[in-house]
Amino acid sequence: DAGITQSPRYKITETGRQVTLMCHQTWSHSYMFWYRQDLGHGLRLIYYSAAADITDKGEVPDGYVVSRSKTENFPLTLESATRSQTSVYFCASSESPDSSYEQYFGPGTRLTVT
Amino acid sequence: GQNIDQPTEMTATEGAIVQINCTYQTSGFNGLFWYQQHAGEAPTFLSYNVLDGLEEKGRFSSFLSRSKGYSYLLLKELQMKDSASYLCAVRDSNYQLIWGAGTKLIIKP
Repeated sequence: DAGITQSPRYKITETGRQVTLMCHQTWSHSYMFWYRQDLGHGLRLIYYSAAADITDKGEVPDGYVVSRSKTENFPLTLESATRSQTSVYFCASSESPDSSYEQYFGPGTRLTVT
Repeated sequence: GQNIDQPTEMTATEGAIVQINCTYQTSGFNGLFWYQQHAGEAPTFLSYNVLDGLEEKGRFSSFLSRSKGYSYLLLKELQMKDSASYLCAVRDSNYQLIWGAGTKLIIKP
């Protein structure tokens, strides 16, 4: 299916475990983003990528790792999950960060760390 | 620091008009976006403003005043399906989106 997909949609994991959230887009957008959304906060940028093999930190990168070996995929890994990382994670993509190009969001992954 | 303020929650009546305000203080300005987010779903794009003035899109309009650091989203002829959160986001000097916490809009019959 065309668009942007995320997997899994729901995940429960234990403190200290490593977990990877997947993101896949079919538009060949150059830019991809990972956000977390928590009650009372706006979306907060974790990492972003301008192209394959180019990634950069956002506002809240600590405890997360990303990679982008292919344009269409942008996985996010929590190296050692903590309860504070319980959140809803959204992946997004965009043709460009400039001008009026909006970001398109995936359906989200709801992660619970116990 | 960078800051975007929106009311937390608003209530309106079906068929009425509602205005959702957004004020911002950011390092640089490269456009302002409004997104709609239904509960449990992803944000979807509604509007974009980069110049002062009003942009109209059907029942939705968005206004921007850069000198005042202010925008509003105007929703007309409210429908029950408009019950959602409305997110204001500003693209800063680094071309990153800075997001407000969102305004939850409740529509009553």
